[in-house]
Amino acid sequence: DTGVSQNPRHKITKRGQNVTFRCDPISEHNRLYWYRQTLGQGPEFLTYFQNEAQLEKSRLLSDRFSAERPKGSFSTLEIQRTEQGDSAMYLCASSPRTYLHGYTFGSGTRLTVV
Amino acid sequence: AQTVTQSQPEMSVQEAETVTLSCTYDTSESDYYLFWYKQPPSRQMILVIRQEAYKQQNATENRFSVNFQKAAKSFSLKISDSQLGDAAMYFCAYVGGTGTASKLTFGTGTRLQVTL
Repeated sequence: DTGVSQNPRHKITKRGQNVTFRCDPISEHNRLYWYRQTLGQGPEFLTYFQNEAQLEKSRLLSDRFSAERPKGSFSTLEIQRTEQGDSAMYLCASSPRTYLHGYTFGSGTRLTVV
Repeated sequence: AQTVTQSQPEMSVQEAETVTLSCTYDTSESDYYLFWYKQPPSRQMILVIRQEAYKQQNATENRFSVNFQKAAKSFSLKISDSQLGDAAMYFCAYVGGTGTASKLTFGTGTRLQVTL
């Protein structure tokens, strides 16, 4: 297993366009998390899944954001009608149900809205 | 809600010296885990060290150790014999509960510079 994979690594989009990011977690991990990180700040929680069930959503996740994990494997995060304030690094992490072994993060998708 | 505070935006240490990064947190939970993560420039977040709140003994991983003061809600990271490769952003993080994975709450980070 090569760890948590995120695609694309970079995305530049025009304001108002829709974007979709993909995260492939470690295959044995049933929990998957999305975070957003702006420059100079710590990651902020967006949402997380156990298998295909979305267990929690942050109030940061506005109506323009939606996340899915259709078969309990990979996950997608979609942002509709992007705004300049959406520019950030979007991080994905996965973990087993018990976190004795910690969380494994992907390298992130950097979104720039122009 | 839980909060994590890192009051040192930047720290600098000379190679081979020791540096301590500070972290305080606020929670009403009695069971939780604390983490230090390292984020090198343009690279992924890596777990440095983990502390279970129910353990009184401070965690140690090679050159990295923590000073966990539960009553004071303080969780500092000590890096001994600093190396150039230690230069990175360091984030303190919290998760509540007794072992079921949930969302992490991060501090704002400390940028560590290592000089020759």
